[in-house]
Order: sequence, then C-alpha cells, then structure tokens
Amino acid sequence: SAVISQKPSRDICQRGTSLTIQCQVDSQVTMMFWYRQQPGQSLTLIATANQGSEATYESGFVIDKFPISRPNLTFSTLTVSNMSPEDSSIYLCSVEDRGLGTEAFFGQGTRLTVV
Amino acid sequence: SQQGEEDPQALSIQEGENATMNCSYKTSINNLQWYRQNSGRGLVHLILIRSNEREKHSGRLRVTLDTSKKSSSLLITASRAADTASYFCATYSASGSRLTFGEGTQLTVNP
Repeated sequence: SAVISQKPSRDICQRGTSLTIQCQVDSQVTMMFWYRQQPGQSLTLIATANQGSEATYESGFVIDKFPISRPNLTFSTLTVSNMSPEDSSIYLCSVEDRGLGTEAFFGQGTRLTVV
Repeated sequence: SQQGEEDPQALSIQEGENATMNCSYKTSINNLQWYRQNSGRGLVHLILIRSNEREKHSGRLRVTLDTSKKSSSLLITASRAADTASYFCATYSASGSRLTFGEGTQLTVNP
C-alpha cells in the first residue's frame, strides 16, 4: 500500500493570494489525483496529474486556477490561485498504486480557509 | 454530478448496535468501494466489491452489491464509538478511468 505525505495540513490564507499543496508518495505511481471536498460535501475530482505531461482537468476546473506540477513519479503539487472564500475546502491527493480501479490511497488532506 | 447517492445522510446509534448504510449508482460499474473519513481527514479504504460479486466480508464489515438495482449496502456489526466517521461509497465505472464518490453518510456511535 502507498503512503502519502501531504502538506500543509491546514492553512488560513488571505483572499487574492495563492497556496501550493504538496504530496509525496513512498513509491512510484503513474497517476496522481487531486480532489476538492467542500464543507459537508463529497469529493470532487479536480484533475489527474500525469508525469511528463499536462494534467487532465475535470469539467469546471481550469489550469489557471489550479495549476498542477508532476516533476517525477513520486511527487505532485496543486496550487490554488487567486483565492476567494469560495475556495475554502479540504484538498486531497490520491493514488491507486496497483493500477486504475484498485483501492485508492489518500493523503491526510489540506484544510484551507480563505478569509 | 456525483454517481452515488447514499442514505441515510446521517445515522446515530448506540454502541453495540449494527449500522447499515446504502448507496445507489447510475451507470454500469467495474467495482464499488467503501471508504471511511474521520473528521475531514484523508479517506481510508475499507472494502472493494467487484461487479460479479454479491457479498463480501471484512472483519465487522459486510458489503452487498445488487447490480440489477444498482445499489450496495455497508453493514457494520457491533458498532463502537471509534466507528464514528463519514462513510463514502465510490464507483469505478466499466468504461471510466476514475473513482466517483457518493454523498456520504455521517455515522455517530454513542457510547
């Protein structure tokens, strides 16, 4: 099973600023997934981060707002840009290290509050 | 939009009782998974049931899958206060490439 270290665990940010969230995996994985969980709601996939190519974004999410880096097979970052209070959520990274459709492993989440 | 709908949205029981949560989905699936989330932290995988399976057990967990009704249930037997958490079902579609999560059930087990 994969172990994911995600940081920061929480942050309070001023509107208009940006926050970069990091995820480090203890093994090499092809794809990493970034989710948003708004207060009291379920997880929504933001994008899939592929090593060596641009991330694939889901409907409603754009690269300018959520730029993603994937410099190698064990690391990825998600930036939340030009934040507004509506961006206050938990952000989670995830991998499926035994291939698509197998169990997913999650980081501990980043609880973001924008004031 | 979310594939899965779960009910109940919230469930409160006493320690020792059984807890049953249900999940419905809309499209054909490859498998269905259940996850647990404590207090807005990361999700932990509980169990995976494939589309050709009808029932699966893991410790105090029992999962059933009815593909004709596009529904699944998670039963936690002899619940403990430590089982208090949010529980999510997630489907992996037959043609898709990602998990789609349901709305979740908030379970509270009172000591």
